Amino acid sequence: GQNIDQPTEMTATEGAIVQINCTYQTSGFNGLFWYQQHAGEAPTFLSYNVLDGLEEKGRFSSFLSRSKGYSYLLLKELQMKDSASYLCAVRDSNYQLIWGAGTKLIIKP
Amino acid sequence: IAGITQAPTSQILAAGRRMTLRCTQDMRHNAMYWYRQDLGLGLRLIHYSNTAGTTGKGEVPDGYSVSRANTDDFPLTLASAVPSQTSVYFCASSEGADNTGELFFGEGSRLTVL
Repeated sequence: GQNIDQPTEMTATEGAIVQINCTYQTSGFNGLFWYQQHAGEAPTFLSYNVLDGLEEKGRFSSFLSRSKGYSYLLLKELQMKDSASYLCAVRDSNYQLIWGAGTKLIIKP
Repeated sequence: IAGITQAPTSQILAAGRRMTLRCTQDMRHNAMYWYRQDLGLGLRLIHYSNTAGTTGKGEVPDGYSVSRANTDDFPLTLASAVPSQTSVYFCASSEGADNTGELFFGEGSRLTVL
């Protein structure tokens, strides 16, 4: 079966750095997405990786290793507004998105 | 503001009743999707449409139906609601099913079936 694994919850301190990991086992691979979802709101797009390596976008970076079935989202200079759930999703060989359950990130002052 | 509009935002429904969740987008996107989101689970695809006039079944299609008469609208119907369909439903769209574009989500419809 297809599976996306990410930690259920993480806690970090304002101003610090946090890394959220995602491992996947899917039927084929056509890209990996990270979305942010604040409580009670819709998911919003953060990043997309299709080739191995690091994609940087401001305070957020996303890394992909296709051979290891692994990605991480790195958040720097954490702000209170970064408290949210972070969803990892992989597009399989049929171009369908398989979603992880999300990682709830709690930022403490 | 361009985007996706869902209605209703929230609804409490008696079991056995018929319910249609509405979804409209104004971005002229080809692909549209309906997901349900339940606590502790990832988003699960119910039905999708790669282009107007076509629909397909996702991971959890039973008890739901969709139609795609035009590019903009993609309603989701529960023919006879059951309590297990209590969930938050998200409609989403993308330019195409196989491009690298992101999904744009509506604000969600919270449905409670009693």
